[in-house]
Amino acid sequence: GIQVEQSPPDLILQEGANSTLRCNFSDSVNNLQWFHQNPWGQLINLFYIPSGTKQNGRLSATTVATERYSLLYISSSQTTDSGVYFCAVEDRDDKIIFGKGTRLHILP
Amino acid sequence: GAGVSQSPSNKVTEKGKDVELRCDPISGHTALYWYRQSLGQGLEFLIYFQGNSAPDKSGLPSDRFSAERTGGSVSTLTIQRTQQEDSAVYLCASSVQGIEQFFGPGTRLTVL
Repeated sequence: GIQVEQSPPDLILQEGANSTLRCNFSDSVNNLQWFHQNPWGQLINLFYIPSGTKQNGRLSATTVATERYSLLYISSSQTTDSGVYFCAVEDRDDKIIFGKGTRLHILP
Repeated sequence: GAGVSQSPSNKVTEKGKDVELRCDPISGHTALYWYRQSLGQGLEFLIYFQGNSAPDKSGLPSDRFSAERTGGSVSTLTIQRTQQEDSAVYLCASSVQGIEQFFGPGTRLTVL
C-alpha cells in the first residue's frame, strides 16, 4: 500500500518563527488533507489539497501531485499552533492512510 | 447536528466484555470512517462506509471487530471480548465522498 512519510517528526520553535512541514507519499493519490490535532486530541481540518496551493491566514499548503509531496507552511507561529500535524492521503481503493505526524511545540 | 458526535466519550471496561461505540455523522455526509489512535501514535484506518455498505473491511484488526451503519447515518463499532491492546481512542469522521473529512471528538476506550 501507499507509504506516507512526514518530516520532521518533532519540531520545537520559538513563538513568531516560521516552519515548513513535509509529507511524502509513495504513489498517486485521490485526495490529500492536512490536520492539526490539538493537545486535547481533537482533529481539526486545515486543508483539503489534492493539488495546488491554498492559504488560510497564517497557514498555507502546497501539493505537487506529480512529485508526490505536500508542504504545510506555518508563519509567525503562536503557542496555540502546538500539537501534532497529520497528513492523510486517500488511495485508489478509497482507503485513508495517515502519516505518523509532526509534533510541533511552540515556546512562548 | 453541526458536527460529528461520538458516544460515549469515555468507556472503561473489563477484559472479555463487549463494547459498542457510536458515531453520528454530519447530516448529509454519505461517507463515514472509523480510525483507532493508540497513545502517542498516528491514526490507524479501520473501516469506511459509503452509504450503508463497507467496501473494504481489511483494516479491522481482528474478527472481534465489526461495524455497521444503518439508514446511511449512525454507525456503531462493536468490539467483542475486549483485550487490553484494544485500549485506544476510537475516532469517527464523515465526509461528502471524495471531499474533506470532519472528525468527531473520539471515544477513549480503556480495557482493564
